[in-house]
Amino acid sequence: EVQLLESGGGLVQPGGSLRLSCAASGFTFSSYAMSWVRQAPGKGLEWVSTINASGGSTYYADSVKGRFTISRDNSKNTLYLQVNSLRAEDTAVYYCAKADYGDYSTFFDYWGQGTLVTVSS
Amino acid sequence: DIQMTQSPSTLSASVGDRVTITCRASQSISSWLAWYQQKPGKAPKLLIYKASSLESGVPSRFSGSGSGTEFTLTISSLQPDDFATYYCQQYNSFSKLTFGGGTKVEIK
Repeated sequence: EVQLLESGGGLVQPGGSLRLSCAASGFTFSSYAMSWVRQAPGKGLEWVSTINASGGSTYYADSVKGRFTISRDNSKNTLYLQVNSLRAEDTAVYYCAKADYGDYSTFFDYWGQGTLVTVSS
Repeated sequence: DIQMTQSPSTLSASVGDRVTITCRASQSISSWLAWYQQKPGKAPKLLIYKASSLESGVPSRFSGSGSGTEFTLTISSLQPDDFATYYCQQYNSFSKLTFGGGTKVEIK
């Protein structure tokens, strides 16, 4: 059974940083691209970032480029998102999601339960 | 970036109704479109990929159609479990994935 378990969310002040993690199990993690998708309270889904299976290629939404960094450790079956210079508009539930392909993200066939990041003073 | 526009934003329907949701892309995305269902407080669930391919385990009352810039998700006979919000997502531009704004299906 595929499982994706996010952690690392919390309350942070504007300008602060967090590192989100997503522990994966039930599939060959190193074979698939992985992404982060976020959802602000009461709003729709927003793609944030993707990393390919090997970790050699990364992609970012314009809204987070230069502030967020996606990475993965295939030996630990874990996906990360380093979020820096946080703004109020980054407040959201952050989901990790598995693609059905390795080289880049396509659609998302499995999702984690999400971790809430709240940016507030 | 490719913009995805869903309509309507809210839909009121009754159990047993046939429901159709539309998603339009700002440029051609071939058939690289997925549909998701999301219930409050839960993660999205994949329903349809490649515009019309039904994900394993998804009831056959869900179907997708379209190509190019116009797509539809149809629920042939709405069930109580189907009241939720539905999102389309394009993956033609894999370096800039985008979702539609969502369609909330409410009880009439």
